[in-house]
Amino acid sequence: DGGITQSPKYLFRKEGQNVTLSCEQNLNHDAMYWYRQDPGQGLRLIYYSQIVNDFQKGDIAEGYSVSREKKESFPLTVTSAQKNPTAFYLCASSIRRINYGYTFGSGTRLTVV
Amino acid sequence: AQSVTQLGSHVSVSEGALVLLRCNYSSSVPPYLFWYVQYPNQGLQLLLKYTTGATLVKGINGFEAEFKKSETSFHLTKPSAHMSDAAEYFCAVSDQRYGGSQGNLIFGKGTKLSVKP
Repeated sequence: DGGITQSPKYLFRKEGQNVTLSCEQNLNHDAMYWYRQDPGQGLRLIYYSQIVNDFQKGDIAEGYSVSREKKESFPLTVTSAQKNPTAFYLCASSIRRINYGYTFGSGTRLTVV
Repeated sequence: AQSVTQLGSHVSVSEGALVLLRCNYSSSVPPYLFWYVQYPNQGLQLLLKYTTGATLVKGINGFEAEFKKSETSFHLTKPSAHMSDAAEYFCAVSDQRYGGSQGNLIFGKGTKLSVKP
């Protein structure tokens, strides 16, 4: 079945470490997105990519980086510059026509220890 | 700029009672509107969407929503709540800055639904 796979489901990071969250989709979707979710704050857009080798900053890009070398993959790196990285991270994908909406992965919960 | 407001961060209903979750949007052009559901520690799942045509849209699990342009609303309803409906619900509107059918979704802050036995 087609879908989006996020891994790992749980991730622990030490202070000062970079960590990379994986997001892979086999839906042949052009666009991919990363959101951060904190209690009571809804979903905040970190980065998005409409095509391979191109991506755009969202509302809270500081302290994060991404790459889009393949259509299927959109990894997110949480750098040491992100001062409060503990959150639930969601990856989504869509075709370029927005009226179809997004398909979401099951999320990665990142905790700083 | 487009925005979405969900009234009430928490809603509690009794099992069998009507569920009403409110969503208002601002948009300068006719929007695409979506409702998503999220169960604990999971991703979001599409419940229903309005793009064009009939303003009353039906979704999964017995939910429906009505697009009211004059009220800029897209409230989600279900006639009879079930315990399994307890989850967080997100309303989203298409960001039409890019024009046409492309763009991103803008999400509301979510409403957590509790269902009492």
